Amino acid sequence: EPEVTQTPSHQVTQMGQEVILRCVPISNHLYFYWYRQILGQKVEFLVSFYNNEISEKSEIFDDQFSVERPDGSNFTLKIRSTKLEDSAMYFCASGPLSGDTQYFGPGTRLTVL
Amino acid sequence: QKEVEQDPGPLSVPEGAIVSLNCTYSNSAFQYFMWYRQYSRKGPELLMYTYSSGNKEDGRFTAQVDKSSKYISLFIRDSQPSDSATYLCAMRPRNQGGKLIFGQGTELSVKP
Repeated sequence: EPEVTQTPSHQVTQMGQEVILRCVPISNHLYFYWYRQILGQKVEFLVSFYNNEISEKSEIFDDQFSVERPDGSNFTLKIRSTKLEDSAMYFCASGPLSGDTQYFGPGTRLTVL
Repeated sequence: QKEVEQDPGPLSVPEGAIVSLNCTYSNSAFQYFMWYRQYSRKGPELLMYTYSSGNKEDGRFTAQVDKSSKYISLFIRDSQPSDSATYLCAMRPRNQGGKLIFGQGTELSVKP
């Protein structure tokens, strides 16, 4: 069964450093998303991406964040200058043409020291 | 008022019990309703998806939506220890590909 994959599974970085989180969505999906979950809190929406552009973003997704689909298979989230409060699980999700459902990857645990 | 409210539990039941998990919401624009299962430090796994009001059954799982009351439920029949996980409700408006709004999640433990 096709699934969303994410790398790395765990990333440790120093405050102020740039990180890139990578995702390979399900191959025939057209909608792509990033969510995050701070330990013990709700899953929160960050950004959605469709037709090679951002379709929606949350207040969390400020100028420090960017997304890119550099080729036909990868979808990346870049955090330019990490803060302590960026420590969280980051989930990539993808959805089919209908846009009805979203399938999540296993997540990348980001730890900012 | 929070957009989506879900009792975080924890909920502990004996094996074989019927489990009822619930969420309430305030935004009447929500049209699509999903239940995800999340094991510790893993990604949410889509269990059930329903559109608008009504019931949907899949094996031991039944999802129910009551839009008039802004209330959704997930029932698990013949619960198993392997069902022990956190269950997340999520919902979104009608716009295609729109963001999901999640509940807090209910932690379920099924004891053998």
